[in-house]
Amino acid sequence: SQQGEEDPQALSIQEGENATMNCSYKTSINNLQWYRQNSGRGLVHLILIRSNEREKHSGRLRVTLDTSKKSSSLLITASRAADTASYFCATDARPNDYKLSFGAGTTVTVRA
Amino acid sequence: NAGVMQNPRHLVRRRGQEARLRCSPMKGHSHVYWYRQLPEEGLKFMVYLQKENIIDESGMPKERFSAEFPKEGPSILRIQQVVRGDSAAYFCASSPLSETQYFGPGTRLLVL
Repeated sequence: SQQGEEDPQALSIQEGENATMNCSYKTSINNLQWYRQNSGRGLVHLILIRSNEREKHSGRLRVTLDTSKKSSSLLITASRAADTASYFCATDARPNDYKLSFGAGTTVTVRA
Repeated sequence: NAGVMQNPRHLVRRRGQEARLRCSPMKGHSHVYWYRQLPEEGLKFMVYLQKENIIDESGMPKERFSAEFPKEGPSILRIQQVVRGDSAAYFCASSPLSETQYFGPGTRLLVL
């Protein structure tokens, strides 16, 4: 079964609005990462948050992590049409488990 | 520094043929991972390799699939006697010793 599960499955917003998506996972993790995938393309690494961190920022991205609830959120502020993509969270349980476990993703559509 | 390179980007095979997918990691990266993505799903781990060694192949089907990462040259994922269910996008990622995995653009395999 998948480790990470994103919610919602799909999100449609107007340009300039904020987009928030959530990720829940089942087992203990070492790190949680967010990736973006444009249609038919590869994955682009967005941000990594460690299990001992609670919040991290990168440009218009804000990621939170709540290990007690086994959940993370990704906020994209002031969205742009170019943010239209699928967003995946991925967890790993290093140092013993390096393989990433992905959820099914949230598809975000930003309308101009 | 060129990113992770995969070729071919698209591959069409008839049932029973062999598919060979290549991955050249980023310069300086000695860890290679292969993932498979079925339509509308997240990525699933297949195999983790270091130079000349398979570290973890727990996500790879026991039959028809094999992977290698020779001392010289790219990593190869080989699928023998392909079936329609093998149609998917296959992604390679590489990393140095850090946690972040950098993904290639993927190879989209279509089995007719």
